[in-house]
Amino acid sequence: KNEVEQSPQNLTAQEGEFITINCSYSVGISALHWLQQHPGGGIVSLFMLSSGKKKHGRLIATINIQEKHSSLHITASHPRDSAVYICAVRSREGAQKLVFGQGTRLTINP
Amino acid sequence: DADVTQTPRNRITKTGKRIMLECSQTKGHDRMYWYRQDPGLGLRLIYYSFDVKDINKGEISDGYSVSRQAQAKFSLSLESAIPNQTALYFCATSRTEETQYFGPGTRLLVL
Repeated sequence: KNEVEQSPQNLTAQEGEFITINCSYSVGISALHWLQQHPGGGIVSLFMLSSGKKKHGRLIATINIQEKHSSLHITASHPRDSAVYICAVRSREGAQKLVFGQGTRLTINP
Repeated sequence: DADVTQTPRNRITKTGKRIMLECSQTKGHDRMYWYRQDPGLGLRLIYYSFDVKDINKGEISDGYSVSRQAQAKFSLSLESAIPNQTALYFCATSRTEETQYFGPGTRLLVL
């Protein structure tokens, strides 16, 4: 079993829909990251969080440390949000390294 | 100009050839990383370096070597390329344990 599991693996939605992508992990962590990989391949960091909730524009990330679970939400989704969203955790034991989920491919249709 | 650059962006090579992928950064970060990405799998760490004199193996270092020529440069070498090293390779940098900044990736095909 992977240390970091994302669901769903693929998600297709219509423009304007509220999107939720989930990430579950099995190790104790010091931080969790959400990243976005564009269709061209480039990767950008969206959030780093260790507790609670963060918001940036239409993106919201939450984490529940007790349940070892994080969600990434997109409000008023738009076709330009189409990308692969990747969850990564920094475990307390291997604090120098990130462990990545396999990614969730999101497609927003106009 | 991009903060983290990788060369080449695409490379086709043959089994047994030695190739080098290069990464340069202008962010002034001490920490640099090499990852590979395969379809359906998450990014996996190959090597990482926290300063010029520091090199550490990641989870999949076999078949790879690295060189940290300067704070700004971190190169990945495949001494004798094999087809299962066909993948998308990313370099990344960070100042601390926090946000990592990724290069655009190098798409490698080993025939």
